[in-house]
Amino acid sequence: NAGVTQTPKFRVLKTGQSMTLLCAQDMNHEYMYWYRQDPGMGLRLIHYSVGEGTTAKGEVPDGYNVSRLKKQNFLLGLESAAPSQTSVYFCASSKQGRVDYGYTFGSGTRLTVV
Amino acid sequence: AQSVTQPDIHITVSEGASLELRCNYSYGATPYLFWYVQSPGQGLQLLLKYFSGDTLVQGIKGFEAEFKRSQSSFNLRKPSVHWSDAAEYFCAVLASGGSYIPTFGRGTSLIVHP
Repeated sequence: NAGVTQTPKFRVLKTGQSMTLLCAQDMNHEYMYWYRQDPGMGLRLIHYSVGEGTTAKGEVPDGYNVSRLKKQNFLLGLESAAPSQTSVYFCASSKQGRVDYGYTFGSGTRLTVV
Repeated sequence: AQSVTQPDIHITVSEGASLELRCNYSYGATPYLFWYVQSPGQGLQLLLKYFSGDTLVQGIKGFEAEFKRSQSSFNLRKPSVHWSDAAEYFCAVLASGGSYIPTFGRGTSLIVHP
């Protein structure tokens, strides 16, 4: 019963470096989401996906790209990291047509860009 | 579009005291409403949800929330707080009618004094 697993848990990047955050879920959920959490800002949606091969922009998509090549995985990429992208990133998933189940969250990735 | 407001950034209570965390939403119809809790270093965990029916809903860990349509509110309550309840609490609203993208409040940080 792993639920939603995020890797890595911590990462420090230098400005301009790139990296990929991986989110994996084993609940056969159709929908997946990437959020960033900043102090006093709550959770802000970066990108989301409603199924394999589909992605869409959320509230704060600039500077990020995503891919959903497999149903169980949702990747978040930073091509050229900036200090403004220092944040805690959360992945979540939910089941199509069953939003009453709520959303299952991973434990987060703390990213620092120096 | 839906929105949600958590007016209190921080709440401090003594252990054993009662608790009420406020949540106000904006949406034209009856939304789906959620409360999540985030313990330090962890992801978000669903406490309870309201979809329809009885306006007083019970959740895990002894929490309850009451939906008040006239006040557009969904306040979270607990009669006696334990030190382990210290965490960040998020209210979320989801528009009914097929939407699957929730909007989260900015969170309320609960501090529990011994």
